[in-house]
Amino acid sequence: DIQMTQSPSSLSASVGDRVTITCRASQGIGTWLAWYQQKPEKAPKSLIYTASNLQSGVPSRFSGSGSGTDFTLTISSLQPEDFATYYCQQYKTYPITFGQGTRLE
Amino acid sequence: QVQLQESGPGLVKPSQTLSLTCTVSGGSINSGSYYWTWIRQPAGKGLEWIGRIHTSEGTTYNPSLTSRFTISMDTSKNQFSLNLNSVTAADTAIYYCARGRDGTSFLDYWGQGTLVTVSS
Repeated sequence: DIQMTQSPSSLSASVGDRVTITCRASQGIGTWLAWYQQKPEKAPKSLIYTASNLQSGVPSRFSGSGSGTDFTLTISSLQPEDFATYYCQQYKTYPITFGQGTRLE
Repeated sequence: QVQLQESGPGLVKPSQTLSLTCTVSGGSINSGSYYWTWIRQPAGKGLEWIGRIHTSEGTTYNPSLTSRFTISMDTSKNQFSLNLNSVTAADTAIYYCARGRDGTSFLDYWGQGTLVTVSS
């Protein structure tokens, strides 16, 4: 299985901050990488696909980059509604695997 | 707008079979473009991909899990289902159904999730 490792596991930030979350794959996955946002008691919401493409309706302050094994999710100016847990996911190879999550608080 | 809704029992006894259904509205599950997927999340933990079904490609499961899972689809009802037999407390989790878009496992739409507790 491809292991996905996110860092940090938790992150303290303030409204207006620029935030970056990193995701590393245990082997190359090209750009088959997605990011999801999950708020407490809610289902995950898709944010980014193929590493850098914004899902429809997602604010432009979210961006993604990377290829191969190293990826980042950046929030350019943190808003109150962005405090949540973020997961990366590889979908190059079965089984599909997720990172352990980064809690933004 | 595509919507997915899980349904099933919230409480299952150990050793019994868990059956969950995902009802899809706003689109046909018979479309060849999508992978209909199950994911679970134990309380306070991360996401675990269980498997997916495609109208012509069939099913793919997570080999890291046991072979107790079965995913099926009923195109006449626009539903797909998850069966898990011989459940234990370790299967207690929120179970989500989701749609994998454009022949990939990028999960663009998710159900709200259903909590399943395994307890006697």
